Amino acid sequence: DQQVKQNSPSLSVQEGRISILNCDYTNSMFDYFLWYKKYPAEGPTFLISISSIKDKNEDGRFTVFLNKSAKHLSLHIVPSQPGDSAVYFCAAIDQGGSEKLVFGKGTKLTVNP
Amino acid sequence: DAGVIQSPRHEVTEMGQEVTLRCKLISGHNSLFWYRQTMMRGLELLIYFNNNVPIDDSGMPEDRFSAKMPNASFSTLKIQPSEPRDSAVYFCASRFSGNTIYFGEGSWLTVV
Repeated sequence: DQQVKQNSPSLSVQEGRISILNCDYTNSMFDYFLWYKKYPAEGPTFLISISSIKDKNEDGRFTVFLNKSAKHLSLHIVPSQPGDSAVYFCAAIDQGGSEKLVFGKGTKLTVNP
Repeated sequence: DAGVIQSPRHEVTEMGQEVTLRCKLISGHNSLFWYRQTMMRGLELLIYFNNNVPIDDSGMPEDRFSAKMPNASFSTLKIQPSEPRDSAVYFCASRFSGNTIYFGEGSWLTVV
């Protein structure tokens, strides 16, 4: 039933190393994808996005990769910093259909100093 | 710039009581979304409005839940009567155009 899946509830990495957060989706109509970051007691904030016409989008330390044939996307954070510790949500939307952003359940990233 | 403003931030209420959550959109935004976050289900969309009109309320759990947008900048989500399983964080989000939505800080609801 879940159209957007984040199968790893948590991830722990060392400061300075790469963090890779994964997301899978089932709806082939999704054509735009976003990552949100959420700190405790705050609302989710937009981090980075990618259109289905691209396979990579980079913004500083953050890069999102999209593999449409596998219906998979990933967020890479290099180098990871302790301030990156948060819950990361993957979201998807069918731009030609409903205007609803569908979210995954989130992955809690912990970056250890 | 004022972001999406939600109130109350925290509410503890007894089962059977009415709960009203409030949301003020970012000025100029014309789409409004209510989400609920729980451990089991993550972030679920309850309902969204475009230009004050409800477009999709298929995520509203049951008739105990209702949402209104009496004007272009304000919305309420009401639960009547509330039940312990309604305990969650309720987020309001708004959008002007494009795909990015902007969230408020959430209303933490506990029903005992």
